[in-house]
Amino acid sequence: SQQGEEDPQALSIQEGENATMNCSYKTSINNLQWYRQNSGRGLVHLILIRSNEREKHSGRLRVTLDTSKKSSSLLITASRAADTASYFCATRESGYNKLIFGAGTRLAVHP
Amino acid sequence: EAQVTQNPRYLITVTGKKLTVTCSQNMNHEYMSWYRQDPGLGLRQIYYSMNVEVTDKGDVPEGYKVSRKEKRNFPLILESPSPNQTSLYFCASSLLDPGADTQYFGPGTRLTVL
Repeated sequence: SQQGEEDPQALSIQEGENATMNCSYKTSINNLQWYRQNSGRGLVHLILIRSNEREKHSGRLRVTLDTSKKSSSLLITASRAADTASYFCATRESGYNKLIFGAGTRLAVHP
Repeated sequence: EAQVTQNPRYLITVTGKKLTVTCSQNMNHEYMSWYRQDPGLGLRQIYYSMNVEVTDKGDVPEGYKVSRKEKRNFPLILESPSPNQTSLYFCASSLLDPGADTQYFGPGTRLTVL
């Protein structure tokens, strides 16, 4: 079963604009992670937010978590062409040892 | 350099011919996992291992086998590959709990089964 689902599926913006991606999940979680994948390559961890945190920053990344709505958002500010990639949220359902990924958001940043 | 390596990176094979994809990590991680990635379906977990000699099924284990005889290695075995196993495969590892720790991914193995 798919735990995390990203929205939108695809996003196209100009350099310098902000990009916002959303993730919804179904069950209670301990943490939520965001990963990035350049085309055909392995995923790279971006940020982890714990269930008792509401917001977290890392450089140009800002992640929010709303456990009451079972949703998270990833904001990339002042986007660059190099941010072009797919972005995935991942959650581990409480009591299980599996990390479940959503289908991802494909972000294209045009120069 | 801390990394997860996979071999081969690309493989074209025929139905029924047994194959093994190797995975190795040099970070002394307890947890290792295999995923497959298919268009529109995201990453789906095949098998995972919490420690040596401890493996468990993920969401799509049918047609695959794994073993964890050493901490650093976690090979994926396809005993009798079929065309529906054509996919991009990733091995990943984390120090402990995958939900609480960063997962480090290998570069991927693109498998085509004819």
